[in-house]
Amino acid sequence: AQSVTQPDIHITVSEGASLELRCNYSYGATPYLFWYVQSPGQGLQLLLKYFSGDTLVQGIKGFEAEFKRSQSSFNLRKPSVHWSDAAEYFCAVGPNTGFQKLVFGTGTRLLVSP
Amino acid sequence: DVKVTQSSRYLVKRTGEKVFLECVQDMDHENMFWYRQDPGLGLRLIYFSYDVKMKEKGDIPEGYSVSREKKERFSLILESASTNQTSMYLCASSPPGTSGGEQYFGPGTRLTVT
Repeated sequence: AQSVTQPDIHITVSEGASLELRCNYSYGATPYLFWYVQSPGQGLQLLLKYFSGDTLVQGIKGFEAEFKRSQSSFNLRKPSVHWSDAAEYFCAVGPNTGFQKLVFGTGTRLLVSP
Repeated sequence: DVKVTQSSRYLVKRTGEKVFLECVQDMDHENMFWYRQDPGLGLRLIYFSYDVKMKEKGDIPEGYSVSREKKERFSLILESASTNQTSMYLCASSPPGTSGGEQYFGPGTRLTVT
């Protein structure tokens, strides 16, 4: 069965420090991979996506993620966190053919300390 | 920009009431989705639709039904609301087929059933 694991429920990072959020997936073939962000009281916004090609993808707001096939991982990174990055982050996977039904992880809540 | 709107941001209903949650998208997307979001559980797919009048059950359809009479509108119906349906409900839409699977989300409806 397809699944996505985000092992960290909460992460606290100091403003200006680097960030890495972990995502591991279980999927039958190479999937499409996504990171979404949800600010308090809001819907989800797409940060970045991986379909094929370069395994390091750049997204909005200075985020990047690296697809590592051998580790079935798609970790999200940012070199310097801003207070406005405090939000919940969701990793998702979907098929690279056919109907695009996504499977989401349970989310990681990022807290940014001054 | 794609816009997905949901009829209410907050809703309070009584047990046993029939509840309608409305979702409208303005990008002519074929696919629409309803999720519920609960702390620690991430997003769980309730129903989705890939065309007008077409609907498919997601992972947790029990207690819910949907209606899609027009392409831009996808309604979630709670036939007889129960307290365990208190949750955040998110609607999303996406373009068809293998065009990327990226889903666009509405702001959510926080439903409380008392």
